[in-house]
Amino acid sequence: DGGITQSPKYLFRKEGQNVTLSCEQNLNHDAMYWYRQDPGQGLRLIYYSQIVNDFQKGDIAEGYSVSREKKESFPLTVTSAQKNPTAFYLCASMRASGELFFGEGSRLTVL
Amino acid sequence: GQSLEQPSEVTAVEGAIVQINCTYQTSGFYGLSWYQQHDGGAPTFLSYNALDGLEETGRFSSFLSRSDSYGYLLLQELQMKDSASYFCAVRDEWETDSWGKFQFGAGTQVVVTP
Repeated sequence: DGGITQSPKYLFRKEGQNVTLSCEQNLNHDAMYWYRQDPGQGLRLIYYSQIVNDFQKGDIAEGYSVSREKKESFPLTVTSAQKNPTAFYLCASMRASGELFFGEGSRLTVL
Repeated sequence: GQSLEQPSEVTAVEGAIVQINCTYQTSGFYGLSWYQQHDGGAPTFLSYNALDGLEETGRFSSFLSRSDSYGYLLLQELQMKDSASYFCAVRDEWETDSWGKFQFGAGTQVVVTP
């Protein structure tokens, strides 16, 4: 079955460390997105990518970086420059009809 | 600036009807979507309106009025499993060759009681 796989599901990080969250899709979708969700809040856009080798900053890109070397993969790196990285991170891809498919999310906790 | 407004919480009993309103102010508009998210889970797609009017999908319906920058999600015959957060999202298309990006509201917590 097609879908989006995020890993790891839970991740703990010490302050000052970079961590990379994986996002893989086999839906053959061009557009992919990374969102951050804090408790009781909506989703805020970090980065998005329309096609391979191209990506744009969203509303809260500071302290994050991405790459899009393959259509299937859109990893997110949370760098030490992100001052408050503890959150639930969601990766999504978009069907041409406008429907977003989400992965199960990665929950990052900074110790 | 860009904003989407929706109520923070709605409580209703099983079998009732709930309407969640969403008003938006965005730089561009290509469509209004609704997503459901259970605690700790991923959002799942419910409906998408690009044109004015009502879209019905089983117990859920969604309405859009572009002239009023307003839409709503209607949940009918509420069931306990409908207890979740519901988000409206606007797809804004800035450029002709862009797939667009999505801005989400803060979500409405629907609590269904017996």
